[in-house]
Amino acid sequence: RKEVEQDPGPFNVPEGATVAFNCTYSNSASQSFFWYRQDCRKEPKLLMSVYSSGNEDGRFTAQLNRASQYISLLIRDSKLSDSATYLCVVNIEGYSTLTFGKGTMLLVSP
Amino acid sequence: ETGVTQTPRHLVMGMTNKKSLKCEQHLGHNAMYWYKQSAKKPLELMFVYSLEERVENNSVPSRFSPECPNSSHLFLHLHTLQPEDSALYLCASSHLYRQATPEAFFGQGTRLTVV
Repeated sequence: RKEVEQDPGPFNVPEGATVAFNCTYSNSASQSFFWYRQDCRKEPKLLMSVYSSGNEDGRFTAQLNRASQYISLLIRDSKLSDSATYLCVVNIEGYSTLTFGKGTMLLVSP
Repeated sequence: ETGVTQTPRHLVMGMTNKKSLKCEQHLGHNAMYWYKQSAKKPLELMFVYSLEERVENNSVPSRFSPECPNSSHLFLHLHTLQPEDSALYLCASSHLYRQATPEAFFGQGTRLTVV
């Protein structure tokens, strides 16, 4: 079983739509959770950390469900510029190295 | 402007060549990483340096040789590579190894093609 699993997509949505991605992780010792965004042929960039209580940053909302071991990212009012690959990332307790999912591709069309 | 700078951005090398990738971070971090990203694969961690000491080496072939002379610089020395080593090589840095909030910041990567 892969450590971090994501639906690769692509998710094709029109501008203004709401879209949600899920990610599951296998190691229950996972402690820190992040969403990164990676544009085509560019480096990954931190989008937001995911906190146990859930957190929101503008149009983006992240949720963590430790019991079911999944993380979600909700994007409201999608913009063309949101088109990218979204990487789910976890950190296992006691280790600083991050485990990356394969990413979910989002394509927002006019 | 990125706090992590990689050079070169693009590199084409023959299988008998020797080349080096360079990474420099200006964020005051003391852990640095090399990742490999091949097409349609997740990021693969290659090496981790914490306080200039290598702390992880994920079964990377010896044709890849890292060097970390100080906490701001990281090199990846390449020799006798294979075509399957063609990939995007990403450098990243973060705060002290084993810290609770280890989010990493990436350089723009070196796109390597081995011919």
